Amino acid sequence: QSALTQPASVSGSPGQSITISCTGTSSDVGGYEYVSWYQQHPGKAPKLMIYDVTNRPSGVSDRFSGSKSGNTASLTISGLQAEDEADYYCSSYSNSNTLVVFGGGTKLTVV
Amino acid sequence: QVQLQESGPGLVEPSQTLSLTCTVSGGSITSGGYYWGWIRQLPGKGLEWIGYIYYSGSTYYNPSLKSLVTISIGTSKNHFSLRLSSVTAADTAVYYCARYAMVQGSFDYWGQGALVTVSS
Repeated sequence: QSALTQPASVSGSPGQSITISCTGTSSDVGGYEYVSWYQQHPGKAPKLMIYDVTNRPSGVSDRFSGSKSGNTASLTISGLQAEDEADYYCSSYSNSNTLVVFGGGTKLTVV
Repeated sequence: QVQLQESGPGLVEPSQTLSLTCTVSGGSITSGGYYWGWIRQLPGKGLEWIGYIYYSGSTYYNPSLKSLVTISIGTSKNHFSLRLSSVTAADTAVYYCARYAMVQGSFDYWGQGALVTVSS
């Protein structure tokens, strides 16, 4: 049971936009601006795509954007491309004893 | 460019201790502002934070693993290590080391991962 809740899967067609949600509590997502998103292709290490809710690391496409409302954070990918097909994980700082919590992951399929 | 590389046995017997080392290049572990951490991914599952360490030696562990985990740092060789004791088959996973940027609250650099299988 992951601390943060994500949909198991989402899908979209090339060129479309999709949004992945990540729901936590006021102890993590809702209480801090330390929400991050990671992309993981099969057999590869996770790659940081978004940090501090909305910020993109250098080199990450501006097709990726993040937002937050209350206890739910969201990752939006616009202009879907085949290479975006991957698993996506959200993460947050938590003021519980488990300082770093992850979502269960969302499998994005580009159909 | 910071790079991290895990190393260690790929097979560990049940009840023994899993030991992995993460070697950091392109940056110093003693640079302030970062924790150096371990995350694991059980087969077909999501990510689980194991813990992290600051260069001063302060450690922070996932409560679910705290009694079994030790993370230590070796500043002279720019590496840090993970020890997980009394392992079972349920500890079979890919273990990643990663750098946690404190200001960003995120893991910005990751190793490629090391598959550790617990089996006799």
